[in-house]
Amino acid sequence: AQRVTQPEKLLSVFKGAPVELKCNYSYSGSPELFWYVQYSRQRLQLLLRHISRESIKGFTADLNKGETSFHLKKPFAQEEDSAMYYCALRGYSSASKIIFGSGTRLSIRP
Amino acid sequence: DTAVSQTPKYLVTQMGNDKSIKCEQNLGHDTMYWYKQDSKKFLKIMFSYNNKELIINETVPNRFSPKSPDKAHLNLHINSLELGDSAVYFCASSEAGTNQPQHFGDGTRLSIL
Repeated sequence: AQRVTQPEKLLSVFKGAPVELKCNYSYSGSPELFWYVQYSRQRLQLLLRHISRESIKGFTADLNKGETSFHLKKPFAQEEDSAMYYCALRGYSSASKIIFGSGTRLSIRP
Repeated sequence: DTAVSQTPKYLVTQMGNDKSIKCEQNLGHDTMYWYKQDSKKFLKIMFSYNNKELIINETVPNRFSPKSPDKAHLNLHINSLELGDSAVYFCASSEAGTNQPQHFGDGTRLSIL
């Protein structure tokens, strides 16, 4: 079954502390993984995708096929990182739908 | 301003009514989607259209009917609204082809009284 699991509904860390938002997936094949972010009162937007191997706003995410994980990390949290984060996956066929995790609310304390 | 825009932003109506939410994208994308975000913030796909053709239709009550007059528009019509339909509905679009990132609208908060 295709599934994306984000085990933490809420993650609260202090400013300057490291952040890790967990994401595990279940998929028969090699999907593409994404992280989407929704800041307060803003639209949902793409943060990063695993094939880009880029760092956006200090965030990185490495696809670990052995552990079927795609955790989102940032070494030093900033207050503006407070938002709702969704991990998502999509298969490679043209009719594949994107499947979202349930989301993790990240709260950065000053 | 290139974007995915949906109207209205807020929709408050009574049970049993019929309502529509409109979505337009000027990004030149071929594929459009409707998602429902429930009270627990869980995002679930409802429909996907590619060049006006339905390609994904999840298990959604047939009171929900998407309509795509052209590839830049995907409207969502809902008949006989029920309390459980209260949610935020997001429209999104992407380029055709595999694994293109999706661009989302601001969402429409639907509240059923």
